[in-house]
Amino acid sequence: DTAVSQTPKYLVTQMGNDKSIKCEQNLGHDTMYWYKQDSKKFLKIMFSYNNKELIINETVPNRFSPKSPDKAHLNLHINSLELGDSAVYFCASSPAGRGNQPQHFGDGTRLSIL
Amino acid sequence: AQSVTQPDIHITVSEGASLELRCNYSYGATPYLFWYVQSPGQGLQLLLKYFSGDTLVQGIKGFEAEFKRSQSSFNLRKPSVHWSDAAEYFCAVGAGTYKYIFGTGTRLKVLA
Repeated sequence: DTAVSQTPKYLVTQMGNDKSIKCEQNLGHDTMYWYKQDSKKFLKIMFSYNNKELIINETVPNRFSPKSPDKAHLNLHINSLELGDSAVYFCASSPAGRGNQPQHFGDGTRLSIL
Repeated sequence: AQSVTQPDIHITVSEGASLELRCNYSYGATPYLFWYVQSPGQGLQLLLKYFSGDTLVQGIKGFEAEFKRSQSSFNLRKPSVHWSDAAEYFCAVGAGTYKYIFGTGTRLKVLA
């Protein structure tokens, strides 16, 4: 059973389009995250959600809108895609905590903007 | 400012040789420290973590790491590297509630 699953695995689209990435975890965790990994493998947190509530928004453009319908799901919608959005996006989850809980990561969604 | 530095972008070792990957952190309070491994096309997998207590922690796949507060370091080690260890390795610090800061990663190449 996959603990953290993301769909789709690959996403190729044109600049200006709108796209969504879905994430689900079956670990019973309270906290979920979105990370962006650029071409140099730098991993930067975008959002943290705890029990469906937004906790952290790391100065991400408002073209990115996360939505958590329940604590097992955290989706990411991106409007008006730009070339700079090309990256691998990782979803992760963890038990609630003060930075002292290990995270479980999905396999990533590789977004390519043409 | 909170930060994690992995000074080595690439490291190449021969199979069977020992390995040490460096990690330095900057964090005001007691750090929660993690090492993750990322194989190509996959997400990050936890290797080990340090919260408190014994400064030498054991992880999966034969890895260990040592926390040295005086040097603000949390270096990852393995006595004998296997070809399957080739991957990207990330050090991370828990930087407060629901926030983690990752280093830039070290890519490990293993020569047969």
